[in-house]
Amino acid sequence: GESVGLHLPTLSVQEGDNSIINCAYSNSASDYFIWYKQESGKGPQFIIDIRSNMDKRQGQRVTVLLNKTVKHLSLQIAATQPGDSAVYFCAENHAGGTSYGKLTFGQGTILTVHP
Amino acid sequence: NAGVTQTPKFQVLKTGQSMTLQCAQDMNHNSMYWYRQDPGMGLRLIYYSASEGTTDKGEVPNGYNVSRLNKREFSLRLESAAPSQTSVYFCASSDQDYGYTFGSGTRLTVV
Repeated sequence: GESVGLHLPTLSVQEGDNSIINCAYSNSASDYFIWYKQESGKGPQFIIDIRSNMDKRQGQRVTVLLNKTVKHLSLQIAATQPGDSAVYFCAENHAGGTSYGKLTFGQGTILTVHP
Repeated sequence: NAGVTQTPKFQVLKTGQSMTLQCAQDMNHNSMYWYRQDPGMGLRLIYYSASEGTTDKGEVPNGYNVSRLNKREFSLRLESAAPSQTSVYFCASSDQDYGYTFGSGTRLTVV
């Protein structure tokens, strides 16, 4: 079956640094990607999304980059803060098939921000 | 606006017991989902309901049943709990743009 995976299971950064979290996906038909943040004891929280007709999308302090050639997705967090410490998941969806609305999640990357 | 509400937040069951996890959303979303989250395995889809009156199996449906009671509510039932079903369960809902909203989770332990 199709899967979404992450290159790095853990990432530690200093406060103020920029963070980059990577994700590889295997379904070349995927056309929608989302990054979620999950804090301890809470449900995943939407951060930013991107459709396959885009290469880059920016939000507040976050940027998602999509490289369809190598099937790679990344989340960049600028000026990382201790409050950014969490598990980050990428997820993908193929809208053209029968998987409408059903996201496939990666395993997650633990981001730890040191003051 | 509460978003997605799950009950209970914690539950301990003995092997063979049954229980129902409740989920309700107040965002008028058509689609609802049940996921389980195990350490190191991300979220896996158990069942989903694309719209009121329909339900379909996800990746790991064995041992579970669901009911889409109305547009707001989507329940997950364990008929005979097993230790392998110890997990954190998340309910989610979405609109047609796939934007998911998750509940805060139910932490289930089966002993």
